[in-house]
This record gives sequence, C-alpha cells and structure tokens, in this order.
Amino acid sequence: AQSVTQLGSHVSVSEGALVLLRCNYSSSVPPYLFWYVQYPNQGLQLLLKYTSAATLVKGINGFEAEFKKSETSFHLTKPSAHMSDAAEYFCAVIATAGGTSYGKLTFGQGTILTVHP
Amino acid sequence: DTEVTQTPKHLVMGMTNKKSLKCEQHMGHRAMYWYKQKAKKPPELMFVYSYEKLSINESVPSRFSPECPNSSLLNLHLHALQPEDSALYLCASSQDRQRAKNIQYFGAGTRLSVL
Repeated sequence: AQSVTQLGSHVSVSEGALVLLRCNYSSSVPPYLFWYVQYPNQGLQLLLKYTSAATLVKGINGFEAEFKKSETSFHLTKPSAHMSDAAEYFCAVIATAGGTSYGKLTFGQGTILTVHP
Repeated sequence: DTEVTQTPKHLVMGMTNKKSLKCEQHMGHRAMYWYKQKAKKPPELMFVYSYEKLSINESVPSRFSPECPNSSLLNLHLHALQPEDSALYLCASSQDRQRAKNIQYFGAGTRLSVL
C-alpha cells in the first residue's frame, strides 16, 4: 500500500522567507504524488502533481516540488513566502492499479503554514 | 475549467431528518468521489463512482447513501445521522480512476452540522 508522511504539523515563516514543507512517501512502485492547499473553510486546490515525468515539478502560486527517489521525498518549496500562502497543505499519493483501493487518493496529516509579516 | 460545484455550502439537520448533498461537474470526468473531513484532519475517502457505478465503499455506515444519476452529477443522501457525522463533505472528480488520468479536482465542500 502507498502512504505519505508529512513532517511537521505546523510551519511558521516570515514574509519573504523560504517555504519548505516536507513529505516522504512509501510505495513499492513508482508513485504518483500530489500537493493540495486548503484555505480556511474551503475545499482543496491542486498545487502540483508528479506523474513520473520531470522530477522537478512547478505548480501554481510559485510553488514547486522535487521528486527524489533516493530519499523517498517530495518536498514542497517556495522561494519567498507571501501572507496569502497561509493555509493548510496536504501531500497525497494515488494507489496503484489493482485491488479494491485502485484510484484511491491517500493524504498525509497536513501541515499548517503560518506567515508572519 | 476545473470547477466542481457543491450545494448547499452549509447544512444543519436534526438526527431524524433526511437531506441530500449535491455535486456537479461539467469537465467530462467519469470518476467522482465523496470525502469526509473532520476538523484538523485530512480528507477521508467515503465512496468512488466510476462510469456511474459504485466502485469503492470505504465501509461507510448505511445512513449515508450515494447516488450517481448521470456522469455529471453525484448525490449523497443523508438519513438518521449522528452528531459525530458533523464534518466538511467534499466532492471530487477526475478524468478516470487510472493513475495517469486520476488528477482529482475538489469542490468547496458542504459544511454539515448534525444537532
């Protein structure tokens, strides 16, 4: 079974500082990985996705993530944080083909990002 | 356009009520999903429909009854809910369940309160 673990339930940065949100995955096959963002009282918005093409994936709002097989990681970064980036971020993995969980999206526990002025 | 529309945005119901949540997408997607999200937790999958057929039921209590009348519409019928069922209910859709096409787009959710 595939799973993801997000390291750090809360991350706090200053406006203009680097944002780094950590995600490690567990998968016996090449994973398909995603980052979603959830603003308060809203649904989830897709930030970016890794589907076995380029290892450096660029997403919306200036975010990017790098797939590192050797480290089983898919960390999310943004060079310069903005106040509007304050939200909860979820890393997720898609279950592989076959079995009753086929197509199931499994989320990490989430990381709340706080941006200080 | 990657819009998934959910109605209502908020719902308050008693434990003896019957209500329905509605989800609609016009992206031509053939897989649709219901998730439940409790406060400060990640979404948990409830049901998956693929080509209008129920494909996954994650052992959800029978007081939740999904329905997929057509490829664009997904309903969740609620009956005799418990206060612990209060949560944000999220709908999502994707082109297909195959991994290469399984990019899920979410609606804004329905905030449900059971009194």
